[in-house]
Amino acid sequence: EVQLVESGGGLVQPGGSLRLSCAASGFTFSSYWMTWVRQAPGKGLEWVANIKEDGNEKYYVGSVKGRFTISRDHAKNSLYLQMNSLRAEDTAVYYCASADCYSCGFDTWGQGTMVTVSS
Amino acid sequence: QSVLNQPPSASGTPGQRVTISCSGSSSNIGSNIVNWYQQLPGTAPKLLIYNDNQRPSGVPDRFSGSKSGTSASLGISGLQSEDEADYYCAAWDDRLKGYVFGTGTKVTVL
Repeated sequence: EVQLVESGGGLVQPGGSLRLSCAASGFTFSSYWMTWVRQAPGKGLEWVANIKEDGNEKYYVGSVKGRFTISRDHAKNSLYLQMNSLRAEDTAVYYCASADCYSCGFDTWGQGTMVTVSS
Repeated sequence: QSVLNQPPSASGTPGQRVTISCSGSSSNIGSNIVNWYQQLPGTAPKLLIYNDNQRPSGVPDRFSGSKSGTSASLGISGLQSEDEADYYCAAWDDRLKGYVFGTGTKVTVL
């Protein structure tokens, strides 16, 4: 079964850090672009970052550039999102998803992990 | 602020056809493929339409996508109660060098 499972969410104070993980199974992880998408409570979807199959291309939404880092580990079939200098506006459910190319549809999604930034 | 504009809501009675518009620009819809996602209440989004008008396996042919210039549309024919959800268009934006989602449309079955 093709599956993505996120973990690592939780409550963190403003200015703090958190690392999200996404474990992939049931497909050839190294052959897909991977992405993070977030959704603030009651709001719409926002793309956060994506990374090419080989990890050599990465793109970020402007609001997280310099604070978030996307990475992947093919040996562990895992995707990561290192989030530093967190702000209240980063509070959201974070989903990981896979795609065939950078502009392709995200055909597999995880269930999401909640990140709350609050003092 | 999203660069892809959708109407906030759409509705119809069972069996009717509903169309959702998605307005963008030359840097996103005008030069890249459009994808549509369905998000049922309390669940993760699901890919509904890819490559402007293709349906993934398992998506009923009641759902259709089209694109013209810098706008795209999602059509739902034979509306059913289980179609009540939020729908988002999305595309890569060459100017922003990022993926952008539409503002989202909530579909209600009356």
